[in-house]
Amino acid sequence: NAGVTQTPKFRILKIGQSMTLQCTQDMNHNYMYWYRQDPGMGLKLIYYSVGAGITDKGEVPNGYNVSRSTTEDFPLRLELAAPSQTSVYFCASSPSTGGRGYTFGSGTRLTVV
Amino acid sequence: KNQVEQSPQSLIILEGKNCTLQCNYTVSPFSNLRWYKQDTGRGPVSLTIMTFSENTKSNGRYTATLDADTKQSSLHITASQLSDSASYICVVSPSDSNYQLIWGAGTKLIIKP
Repeated sequence: NAGVTQTPKFRILKIGQSMTLQCTQDMNHNYMYWYRQDPGMGLKLIYYSVGAGITDKGEVPNGYNVSRSTTEDFPLRLELAAPSQTSVYFCASSPSTGGRGYTFGSGTRLTVV
Repeated sequence: KNQVEQSPQSLIILEGKNCTLQCNYTVSPFSNLRWYKQDTGRGPVSLTIMTFSENTKSNGRYTATLDADTKQSSLHITASQLSDSASYICVVSPSDSNYQLIWGAGTKLIIKP
C-alpha cells in the first residue's frame, strides 16, 4: 500500500519557468490537499479538493493552480516560478474532514533561482 | 487571529531521558488538537488527536495532555530513543472550518547517545 506518492522529490527551477508537482493516492480518499512548508513556519494550505472535479483555494493560492480529474491524482501547477515559491511542498489526503486521518506524502523540495 | 505557538523551538536531550514539549493556541472555536511527528525529509505522521473533552491521550511512549480552558497542550516523551529525533508539530482544527488546520512551527528534538 503506497499511500500518498509525490514526484519529483527535488527540483531546481529558474525564475519564470513552470512545472507540475505530481501527487497520487491509492487509499480512495475523497479529500486531498497541497501544503507548503517554509523554514521555521507552520504548514500553509495552498489548495484542497473534496472530490474529483472540485477544488478550492486555501490560505496561499497565488501563483499556483490545481486540477482533480480523478480521485487518485491531484497535481499542483506552478506558473512563472518566483523565488518566493522556494519551499517544501506536501500533498496529503484524508477520508474525512476536520483534521482527522491525514496521510502525507514525503514532499517535494523546490528551489527557484 | 488563530495561532499555534510551540516551545521550545529546539531541544537536545540524552537518550533515555524524558522531555515535554509545549503548545499554546488561540484557535476558536476549537474542534480538535493533533500532535504530528515529522522526520527529516518526510511528511508529518499523526501521533495523537484530542477533542475538547479529552485531557490525556497516550500512544506508546508519547503522552499528550490538553487543557481546553487555558488553551494549552503538551507532549511528553518517556525514555527517549534515538529514533525520536524529529520535529514535533502541534496542529489545531477549528470547528467552523472543515478544511483549515492551524499548524505550529514545530519543536525540533535531537536525541544524543
